[in-house]
Amino acid sequence: QQQVKQSPQSLIVQKGGISIINCAYENTAFDYFPWYQQFPGKGPALLIAIRPDVSEKKEGRFTISFNKSAKQFSLHIMDSQPGDSATYFCAASIGERALTFGSGTRLQVQP
Amino acid sequence: NAGVTQTPKFQVLKTGQSMTLQCAQDMNHEYMSWYRQDPGMGLRLIHYSVGAGITDQGEVPNGYNVSRSTTEDFPLRLLSAAPSQTSVYFCASRSPGRYTDTQYFGPGTRLTVL
Repeated sequence: QQQVKQSPQSLIVQKGGISIINCAYENTAFDYFPWYQQFPGKGPALLIAIRPDVSEKKEGRFTISFNKSAKQFSLHIMDSQPGDSATYFCAASIGERALTFGSGTRLQVQP
Repeated sequence: NAGVTQTPKFQVLKTGQSMTLQCAQDMNHEYMSWYRQDPGMGLRLIHYSVGAGITDQGEVPNGYNVSRSTTEDFPLRLLSAAPSQTSVYFCASRSPGRYTDTQYFGPGTRLTVL
């Protein structure tokens, strides 16, 4: 049972464009929603995270939008750059329990 | 701080062989976990530990054992390797907190079972 569904599987965006990756979750007990960025040959690294008491969090060019009623959250990358080309994972957890990850989105930003 | 370290980086095993993937962290985190990453399937939790002497199973624990004798180390043992265990393995440690919750991943071990 996949508790966190991520889409799309892959995404191609032109430099300067907006990249949008979506995730949907089933368990309403989730209370922590991070996004991870992974470059080839490296481990994932925390990019940005949100808790369900806010609807949006912005850090630089990266924004998480959170819709509690729809049980969805998304990552927006503004002014996408070739250096943003990586695989992105959404995740969710309950308290201190283990993170449950989405299946990943491979983003390619074309120059 | 070295963060989360894993050894080896690469390993090739024959079916039926056993081995231990090493993981260590120097951040004094209580929470550590092991994931495997397969194409199109994201990261799946194998085992995790909430402190020394305490371990529990994750989503895909079969064929793997863990132990946690110290806060720093969390080795993953493959008892009898199978081709289905060919994957990239990541160890992680976590510092839960309302405002600073961060899970740190190691660089990974790429395992091939022939």
